[in-house]
Amino acid sequence: DTGVSQDPRHKITKRGQNVTFRCDPISEHNRLYWYRQTLGQGPEFLTYFQNEAQLEKSRLLSDRFSAERPKGSFSTLEIQRTEQGDSAMYLCASSWAGLAGVKQYFGPGTRLTVT
Amino acid sequence: AQSVTQLGSHVSVSEGALVLLRCNYSSSVPPYLFWYVQYPNQGLQLLLKYTSAATLVKGINGFEAEFKKSETSFHLTKPSAHMSDAAEYFCAVNHRGGSNYKLTFGKGTLLTVNP
Repeated sequence: DTGVSQDPRHKITKRGQNVTFRCDPISEHNRLYWYRQTLGQGPEFLTYFQNEAQLEKSRLLSDRFSAERPKGSFSTLEIQRTEQGDSAMYLCASSWAGLAGVKQYFGPGTRLTVT
Repeated sequence: AQSVTQLGSHVSVSEGALVLLRCNYSSSVPPYLFWYVQYPNQGLQLLLKYTSAATLVKGINGFEAEFKKSETSFHLTKPSAHMSDAAEYFCAVNHRGGSNYKLTFGKGTLLTVNP
C-alpha cells in the first residue's frame, strides 16, 4: 500500500490559463473521488468515479472543470480558463466500492494558486 | 440533506489537558460518521469512524468518540493532549443508502496545544 499520490503538489498559474492535476489511487481501489478545500473550510465533494465511469458531479463542478479516469486507474482533473476563485487545495481520495461507510484514503493534495 | 456542524473553529488546550472537539450532524437516519485529522500541507488521515457496531469508538493516537443519537452528536475526545496533536480536525458524514459514497465535511476545528 503506497498510498494515494497527487501531482503536482503546488501549482501557480495566471488567470485564464488551463491546468491539469493527476491523482494515482491505491492500486486495488476502484472508487476515486475529487474534493476541493478552500481556506478555512472543510473539503467539498466534486466528483467520483467507479472504475472508469464518472458517476456523479457536484454542482460545484462548472463546465470549466473536467475529470477523467480513462483506464480505471489514475485520474486527471483539468480546469480551463482558471479564475481566482479556483484557488484552493484539490484533494483526491480512493476507496473500495460496495460498502457504505467505507474508509476513503486521501492524497496530500494539489494546492492551486491563481494570480 | 445531511450536514455537519463543528462547534468552535479554534480550540486551544494545554499539554496534558483534555481535548474535546464537538460535532453535531443533521440527518433523518443516523449516518456513518468520521473524524479526520489534517496536518499542515498534508492530506486527511482517518482517526476513527462510527458504523453502528458500537457507540464508543476508539481510534488512533489515543482519540475516541461517542455517538449519541439523542443529541445527534459525535464528539471527539482525548484524555491528555500532546504537542503533536496540534492540527485541524474535521468531522464528516456519509449517508446510509442512496448517495452513500461521498463525504460531507464540517468546517473544521483547529486545535492548538500550548506547552
